[in-house]
Amino acid sequence: GEDVEQSLFLSVREGDSSVINCTYTDSSSTYLYWYKQEPGAGLQLLTYIFSNMDMKQDQRLTVLLNKKDKHLSLRIADTQTGDSAIYFCAGADQTGANNLFFGTGTRLTVIP
Amino acid sequence: DTEVTQTPKHLVMGMTNKKSLKCEQHMGHRAMYWYKQKAKKPPELMFVYSYEKLSINESVPSRFSPECPNSSLLNLHLHALQPEDSALYLCASSQAAGDPFGYTFGSGTRLTVV
Repeated sequence: GEDVEQSLFLSVREGDSSVINCTYTDSSSTYLYWYKQEPGAGLQLLTYIFSNMDMKQDQRLTVLLNKKDKHLSLRIADTQTGDSAIYFCAGADQTGANNLFFGTGTRLTVIP
Repeated sequence: DTEVTQTPKHLVMGMTNKKSLKCEQHMGHRAMYWYKQKAKKPPELMFVYSYEKLSINESVPSRFSPECPNSSLLNLHLHALQPEDSALYLCASSQAAGDPFGYTFGSGTRLTVV
């Protein structure tokens, strides 16, 4: 099965940039995703990147993919208190059904 | 309507009770999913329905019984649960199973088994 690791915690000051990292063992996912989960809520798809891309930018979000090192990162520019949440990277299981498997999650705390 | 709606939001049940979780979407999605999320852990896939047929059961105990009455509804019937089944149960949908553009998740049902 796929192992997807993330650091558990990240604290940043409001207005700074946040970088959340993810490493994975299986490089066969066609797409890789970042989801956000606020306390007591479901998961919200933030962005995704196709596996043949190195970078994708979407407003304050920048996704970097290093396939050689099996490393995915999410940069949030000008981090706001509303960005405080748990962030999960995810890949798609290539065993036919293509279902999502999630990383361990990173809890981002934004300090005012 | 771009939402997945789950009811109830909270549920407390005894180990001998029978209850059901409900999930509804009106986006025309043909794949629906149940995930279980324990505290401080990522979601884990339980069941996948594709075109109203069960396509994946991730070795879930029989005390959890899914049902897909139509393309908009997904239920999870619960019977004789254990305290370790307490978790956040998330429903999700996508245009088709394995949609590369991601899934839409509901806000979940927080289940406590006493």
